[in-house]
Amino acid sequence: SYALTQPPSASVSRGQTATIACSGENLGEKYVCWYQQKLGQSPLLVIYQDNRRPSGISDRFSGSNSGDTATLTISETQAMDEADYYCQARDSNDVVFGGGTKLTVL
Amino acid sequence: QVHLVQSEAEVKKPGASVKVSCKASGFSFASHGISWLRQVPGRGPEWMAWISVYKGDTNFAAKFRGRVTLTTDTSADTAYMELRGLTSDDTAVYFCARDTPLKYSDSRGYPIFDDWGQGTQVTVSS
Repeated sequence: SYALTQPPSASVSRGQTATIACSGENLGEKYVCWYQQKLGQSPLLVIYQDNRRPSGISDRFSGSNSGDTATLTISETQAMDEADYYCQARDSNDVVFGGGTKLTVL
Repeated sequence: QVHLVQSEAEVKKPGASVKVSCKASGFSFASHGISWLRQVPGRGPEWMAWISVYKGDTNFAAKFRGRVTLTTDTSADTAYMELRGLTSDDTAVYFCARDTPLKYSDSRGYPIFDDWGQGTQVTVSS
């Protein structure tokens, strides 16, 4: 079955740019969504269809997807961005999530 | 404002069934789909199944096919997910999320889970 792989953790200094990768076979041929989840909360959609932002999501969040890797980029990272981030894609009629990356803002 | 409100936490014994509800407001419920997902602590969400409120079509992840039933009540703007044959492995937080009304095979670029319920803790214990 299809799998998405994320690094379990990442850290970034406040004000710097964070990048979180998500890898899967030929992932660039699929559309990717990214979700932010803070402790005790439901996931929040921050990027859909590789690089589109939902209404209300800061333009500091951006996404890209090519080859086998999709990337979530958070510019000018703030303390409020500390959370778990999950990528998601569809393989045929199956929906797959990555294992998540815990982002720590230093 | 889109709102999905789920039923309260449940404790069930192994072998039992659980039925979780998801009441929608702030959007046209009948024009959308609802997906159900679950999550255990420390892991990513796991997609279980989808139903088109619009057409009644359903789609299930292989591991849940035959064990999950999805229904909707458009008069109450509510979706339901019933999971049968519970084991301790089913202990998780269950979420509903707004989804496309069309089959995934007809919806390039989907699913997009743009709104989620608050989650329902289901605990399976003897």
